[in-house]
Amino acid sequence: EPEVTQTPSHQVTQMGQEVILRCVPISNHLYFYWYRQILGQKVEFLVSFYNNEISEKSEIFDDQFSVERPDGSNFTLKIRSTKLEDSAMYFCASSGQFNSPLHFGNGTRLTVT
Amino acid sequence: KNEVEQSPQNLTAQEGEFITINCSYSVGISALHWLQQHPGGGIVSLFMLSSGKKKHGRLIATINIQEKHSSLHITASHPRDSAVYICAVRSQSGGGADGLTFGKGTHLIIQP
Repeated sequence: EPEVTQTPSHQVTQMGQEVILRCVPISNHLYFYWYRQILGQKVEFLVSFYNNEISEKSEIFDDQFSVERPDGSNFTLKIRSTKLEDSAMYFCASSGQFNSPLHFGNGTRLTVT
Repeated sequence: KNEVEQSPQNLTAQEGEFITINCSYSVGISALHWLQQHPGGGIVSLFMLSSGKKKHGRLIATINIQEKHSSLHITASHPRDSAVYICAVRSQSGGGADGLTFGKGTHLIIQP
């Protein structure tokens, strides 16, 4: 069964550094999402992406964050200058239609030191 | 903004017991998702529903739109069902409706 893949599984970075989290959604899916989960807290929506543009973003998704689908297969989340509070598990998800089940990747655990 | 509440927060049961996890939300939705998160962190979609009832194997999900409430049931529970079960909703369209709003999850432990 096709699946969403995320790399790396774990990323350690120093405060102020830029990180890029990578995701390969399911190939025929059209809707893409990033979510994050701070340790011990609930999952939070960051951004949705459709038709090569952001369709919605949460208040968490400030100017430090950006997303890109550079080549029709990868879907990346960039954090420009990481802060300690960016430490979390970041999940990529995709779906074939707007209101259809989401397929999640296994997540990237980002640790900012 | 939709508020999603789950109960119980923690549940420990014996193998074979019938399990019920509840979810309530505050604002009208277009869809409700039940998700399973294993200790390693990965999230798996169990159900997406907007009305009625769905069944998959030993899992049953129901939703009452009027009461803004959903339940997830597990019949003949097994230790491998131990996980965090998360309810998430997509609010009705009209701004802010793309992303899911998540509950805090129910941590389920099934003892042999």
